[in-house]
Amino acid sequence: ETGVTQTPRHLVMGMTNKKSLKCEQHLGHNAMYWYKQSAKKPLELMFVYNFKEQTENNSVPSRFSPECPNSSHLFLHLHTLQPEDSALYLCASSQDRGNREAFFGQGTRLTVV
Amino acid sequence: RKEVEQDPGPFNVPEGATVAFNCTYSNSASQSFFWYRQDCRKEPKLLMSVYSSGNEDGRFTAQLNRASQYISLLIRDSKLSDSATYLCAVNMGRRALTFGSGTRLQVQP
Repeated sequence: ETGVTQTPRHLVMGMTNKKSLKCEQHLGHNAMYWYKQSAKKPLELMFVYNFKEQTENNSVPSRFSPECPNSSHLFLHLHTLQPEDSALYLCASSQDRGNREAFFGQGTRLTVV
Repeated sequence: RKEVEQDPGPFNVPEGATVAFNCTYSNSASQSFFWYRQDCRKEPKLLMSVYSSGNEDGRFTAQLNRASQYISLLIRDSKLSDSATYLCAVNMGRRALTFGSGTRLQVQP
């Protein structure tokens, strides 16, 4: 079983749809993250959760709504997205928010049509 | 100035060559540093941490230069399988990692 698991791996959705991305980590970590990676752009941090509490929201539009029910699970709820939101969405976890390395899930490749 | 900067490349090198990448960071208070490898359409995977004293893992050597605020990655005896994008990541205190845009390496036969 991999350390950080994301589902689905691929998602195509219309601009009026509502969908959710799921992330689960089996590493006993306390911090979880959502990153967005668009073509030819660096990883963009979206949200940070530490011990289930959101500690960072990097000016992400409200059409992206995170949820962290416990330290092992993280969701990203999507609604009324735009075609420019098409990207690879990566979940990561680390022991804490401090000076520790992060481990990534395999990502969800999202296409908004 | 970007917080973390990398030369995007691509670096095209023959098998067996030695290649080095640098990554500069803007925040002098940065505390920890990492190199990740990302294959096409895959997630980044941790390659190695970068310690103050430098560290080596097989053919890979990472160095930190705090005075000039950069980290480096040296790959010796390049293999075809080393072809990938190499991302540096910097932690600036109690925040999530900030990533560079990556340096693409293409090792040619």
